Order: sequence, then C-alpha cells, then structure tokens
Amino acid sequence: QSVLTQPPSVSGAPGQRVTISCTGSSSNIGAGYDVHWYQQLPGTAPKVLIYGNSNRPSGVPDRFSGSKSGTSASLAITGLQAEDEADYYCQSYDNSLSGSVFGGGTKLTVL
Amino acid sequence: EVQLVESGGGLVQPGRSLRLSCAASGFTFDDYAMHWVRQAPGKGLEWVSGISWNSGSIGYADSVKGRFTISRDNTKKSLYLQMNSLRAEDTALYYCAKDNDYSIRGWFDPWGQGTLVTVSS
Repeated sequence: QSVLTQPPSVSGAPGQRVTISCTGSSSNIGAGYDVHWYQQLPGTAPKVLIYGNSNRPSGVPDRFSGSKSGTSASLAITGLQAEDEADYYCQSYDNSLSGSVFGGGTKLTVL
Repeated sequence: EVQLVESGGGLVQPGRSLRLSCAASGFTFDDYAMHWVRQAPGKGLEWVSGISWNSGSIGYADSVKGRFTISRDNTKKSLYLQMNSLRAEDTALYYCAKDNDYSIRGWFDPWGQGTLVTVSS
C-alpha cells in the first residue's frame, strides 16, 4: 500500500488527453511539500518529467503538465503519442515518515 | 555529463549482507543529497534511504530501518548502502539517484541504471 495513491492504469487514443491523479495526505502533499513526476519507459531507469508541482525540465515536451491542489496532484498529457506509453510515478516528501514517498505507479496505454 | 554507476549487487542468501556502491561523476558531489530507490521485479518504485550533502540528515523507509545503513564519502564521490539481514522481499533493482538539493526533500535527477540484488537460498 503506497503512501501516495495513483490509479493503476489509464489509457487513451493517439491525440487525446489523459490525466493521472496522485492523492496524498496532510503529512505530505497537504503539508505543502512539492510533488514530482517520473516517466519510466520499459527496461529503463525513471526520468523526471515534472518537478516542483508544475515545472518541466528542459527537453520535456509541453504536452506534459502538472498541477497540485490541497492533498492531491495531477499529471496531464495532451496530444497522446505512442512513445508516451510508459509507467508514471508521483513522488513527494512525508514529514511523519521523515523521507520520500512514491505513488504506486500508473501504466499508460496508448490505444 | 552527470553520471551515476551502481555496483555490488548479486545473489545472496537470506540473512546475509551485501554492500552497494554508487560512483558519481560530472557534478559537485558534496553539494547534493543522494538516495537509494528500489524496484522489485514487476513492481513500483520504493524509496529506500536518503542522505544529505554532509551526512547530517539521513532517512530510511520503515521496511529497511535497523537493517540498512546509508553512507557517503565525498572525497571519493561515492554513495554506499550496507544491507544486513537480507530477506527475500529485499530482492529488487537498486537505483542510486541524485537529489536536486542539499537536503533529502527534493526530486531525483538523474538516476543510475541500477544494480540487481537477489536474495534467495
């Protein structure tokens, strides 16, 4: 059972928009700690996609966006492409655990 | 180019110990916190442990507390994870990751390619 809750899977057709939610609590997201998102392509190490709730590292397409409100955060992907098929994870800091926490991960399927 | 290279993984019997290493290059190692994150086969990411730039702040996941010890040697630009009393459930690919900050509260970028630890008799 992960501290941050994500849907196990989402899917969408090419060109469509999908969102992935990340629900936490008052000791992590709700305490004001930033949420970060990672993309893990099959057989590779995770790569940061969004940091500080809504910031994109250089090289990440603007099709990817992040937001945060209260005890939750969301990752939105517009203009879905086949290459977006991957696992996505949210991450934050938890002050009751005194450490980082991840969501359980969401598998994105491009139909 | 920032690079992290893990080593030390392998097959080990339950109850035994193993020490992982992570060699860093391409950045000022002692300016940043570092982390270990693991991924069991077919499962999600689990944060294992983090250490601040000067080793003054250290954290562990409850699942490894009391069994694993994280450390770093800034003169050697290296991160370590001493794993004792290993269990079958510790079987995973262990990633080394750089924090964006000197504390252990930031995001992880980049990640190494991982070293596989298999605990089995």
